[in-house]
Amino acid sequence: AQTVTQSQPEMSVQEAETVTLSCTYDTSENNYYLFWYKQPPSRQMILVIRQEAYKQQNATENRFSVNFQKAAKSFSLKISDSQLGDTAMYFCAFMSPYNQGGKLIFGQGTELSVKP
Amino acid sequence: KAGVTQTPRYLIKTRGQQVTLSCSPISGHRSVSWYQQTPGQGLQFLFEYFSETQRNKGNFPGRFSGRQFSNSRSEMNVSTLELGDSALYLCASSSDANPGQGLAKNIQYFGAGTRLSVL
Repeated sequence: AQTVTQSQPEMSVQEAETVTLSCTYDTSENNYYLFWYKQPPSRQMILVIRQEAYKQQNATENRFSVNFQKAAKSFSLKISDSQLGDTAMYFCAFMSPYNQGGKLIFGQGTELSVKP
Repeated sequence: KAGVTQTPRYLIKTRGQQVTLSCSPISGHRSVSWYQQTPGQGLQFLFEYFSETQRNKGNFPGRFSGRQFSNSRSEMNVSTLELGDSALYLCASSSDANPGQGLAKNIQYFGAGTRLSVL
């Protein structure tokens, strides 16, 4: 069974600095989808960034980028120029494209605090 | 375009009762997935519906059920509520969560959730 592990329950960063959140996963499949979602105190889960495994190029969305290491099964999220609004719980998620009916498998989350 | 809408936002029930939660997907999205979020178990997949058919199901007891209507709106029902059912229930919609459809169609967009408290 696929699993997702986020080893950092909590992290903090100073405003304007850079922080990296870790995520590892386990799968025997060669192609799959990976996501980072953000859940602020408002509870709304927001998609931050996505990556398709067969695309070796790391995804980037403005201040957010990933370091995708397929052989190591690692998918870390880097947030540059951190802002107070980045304070949230961050979830790494895995989806197999081979099964019908989208099922996201989530990690336990990393609570990020951005300090002024 | 309106996002995913979940109603109600909050619910308080007592043990043994049943509850129905509603989810309206983004216009044009035909796949609706449900998740349960608790502090202890994290985010767990309940089930997914597409064109009124359940295509995938997580590891939850039969007390948890759902359905989807022809307009893609979905409802989730929990019967004989237990204290452990207290959770945030999240609904997500996607264009078509199906193999071969590509990443874009499989991206799930979430609603704000329904907070269920069982007393």
